[in-house]
Parts: sequence; structure tokens; C-alpha cells
Amino acid sequence: DQQVKQNSPSLSVQEGRISILNCDYTNSMFDYFLWYKKYPAEGPTFLISISSIKDKNEDGRFTVFLNKSAKHLSLHIVPSQPGDSAVYFCAASARGTGNQFYFGTGTSLTVIP
Amino acid sequence: DTAVSQTPKYLVTQMGNDKSIKCEQNLGHDTMYWYKQDSKKFLKIMFSYNNKELIINETVPNRFSPKSPDKAHLNLHINSLELGDSAVYFCASSQGQVYNQPQHFGDGTRLSIL
Repeated sequence: DQQVKQNSPSLSVQEGRISILNCDYTNSMFDYFLWYKKYPAEGPTFLISISSIKDKNEDGRFTVFLNKSAKHLSLHIVPSQPGDSAVYFCAASARGTGNQFYFGTGTSLTVIP
Repeated sequence: DTAVSQTPKYLVTQMGNDKSIKCEQNLGHDTMYWYKQDSKKFLKIMFSYNNKELIINETVPNRFSPKSPDKAHLNLHINSLELGDSAVYFCASSQGQVYNQPQHFGDGTRLSIL
């Protein structure tokens, strides 16, 4: 039973435009959310996170938005660069479950020069 | 300096064999994990250790046995390998048993069973 879902397996964007990656979750107990970036043959690298007490967190070109009522989060990358081409995973965890993260299946982003 | 390192990077072996994957982290973290990424790219936790103590033990066949000799190392031993064990196995670490700390991943071990 997958509690975190990324319904778009792939996304292509022109360089300089905005990339929007989406993630949905089903468990209302989740209160910490993260995005990881993964290049081929490498492990996931932490990108940005957000706590459920916020609805937005920004770090340079990366912004994560959280809509708790819709159980939805999104990652915006502005402007997109070719080096952003990678697979992006969202993950979630809940207080009281230790440090167990639940991952989505990833969205492969291609930024076209 | 590699923060979380796994060896080997690739492992090709026959069904029925026993194999081990090693993981070491130099981040000073006290919690380490093993994840399995299957053919559908689904990344799922298998085990979590905090200061050498088993914390999370998901529904994993008991052919899989983690061993943590110290808090910087978490090895994974797999007995009687089966075709369904083919996957990429990732080691990760974090500081503390808190739910709101990022985990740092190794580059994975791609296990292929012939």
C-alpha cells in the first residue's frame, strides 16, 4: 500500500522555465516532507524539506509547497537548468514512527537546453 | 570524502548463494538504514539501527540479516539468494531517531541474481 504517490513518471521542461513536480499522500499523520534528487548510479541527495506547520519553504531556485487539506505537495524549480535533469523523489514521515520515511516512485525531470 | 559509502557497487551472483553488502558512514550519525529499490523504482525501508540497536524491521524475509558492529557501520547479509532479491540496495544514515531529519544515502549496490 503506497502512502506517497508521484503520478507523473516523467516531465520535460525548457531551460529557464519553471518545473513543477507533484506528490500526493494518503496518511494524514504525515507531518514532515522532503524532496530528494537522484542522478543515475548515485544515491538520492536531500534537496529541501517542509514541516506541516508551514505551507511553503524556499531554498534558492527550489520551493516546496504543502497543501495539507489536499494532502498534496509540489516542488517548483525556477529557473530550470540542464543540471536539474534527474529523478526527484518525495518522501514523508510522521511523528511517533521513529524515523521511517515513505517514498514516492519518483519523477524523471529532463530540462531541455 | 564520501559520506555514506557502500561496497560493492555491483554484485552479480547465482541463485542460492550467500552475499554481504557493507556500508560505512563518516558523518558521525548514530542511525543507519537499509532500503530496497525494486524494479518499479519503489524505495522501501528494510531496517533501521540506532547505536547498534535494531529499531525498524519491516516485513523482510529472515534470509536478510543486518549487522551493526558499531554506529558507523551497518552491513547486510543475505542468505540463499532468490531471483526476487534482484534490486538496488541503498544504505542511509541520519542523526538521531527523529522523524524530521533528512537521511543521507550511499550510491547503492545493484544486486543481480542469475
